[in-house]
Amino acid sequence: GNSVTQMEGPVTLSEEAFLTINCTYTATGYPSLFWYVQYPGEGLQLLLKATKADDKGSNKGFEATYRKETTSFHLEKGSVQVSDSAVYFCAENGGSGGGNKLTFGTGTQLKVEL
Amino acid sequence: GAGVSQSPSNKVTEKGKDVELRCDPISGHTALYWYRQSLGQGLEFLIYFQGNSAPDKSGLPSDRFSAERTGGSVSTLTIQRTQQEDSAVYLCASSLVGGPSPTDTQYFGPGTRLTVL
Repeated sequence: GNSVTQMEGPVTLSEEAFLTINCTYTATGYPSLFWYVQYPGEGLQLLLKATKADDKGSNKGFEATYRKETTSFHLEKGSVQVSDSAVYFCAENGGSGGGNKLTFGTGTQLKVEL
Repeated sequence: GAGVSQSPSNKVTEKGKDVELRCDPISGHTALYWYRQSLGQGLEFLIYFQGNSAPDKSGLPSDRFSAERTGGSVSTLTIQRTQQEDSAVYLCASSLVGGPSPTDTQYFGPGTRLTVL
């Protein structure tokens, strides 16, 4: 079946540092790609998404570009804040015949310190 | 309208008991999904309802798990004869369209934390 691989955490950064969380997927065709975020004690929230190749999703200073040639959707932010501390999940919705069910990566915990 | 709601927020049960978890999707959303989040397995798809179509049950881990969606809205996930390995957070999500739509976004509820003693 389909799988999503994202970098292992936890990732600890100083405030204002640059963030990259790598994500690759195996689904064939053209799945939509998502980053969800889970803040401490809260539920999953959609952070950003991209629905076709070369699209860039962005929100709250975070960006990710849909790269079909490398089957990747890496999450980046130029200057992280303490409030960005959370667990980040990369996901895809199945591509060809996937039926829209999401396959998630294992999650990457981000801790931002002053 | 309001977001996806789930009840109860926490459930503690004894091994062997049956439990029912409830999900109220966003009004007007035709697709509803159940996932579970556990330490060992991460986030896993369980079941998917789309309108009046037969549900996609391909993620249910055993025949002790079942779900129904009444009237195209509220859904109940039932776990019979619970086991300790069923302990997890059960998440419900809904989306406007579902199906093969490439742009559909799933919105998640807060989850039900199930603990099987």
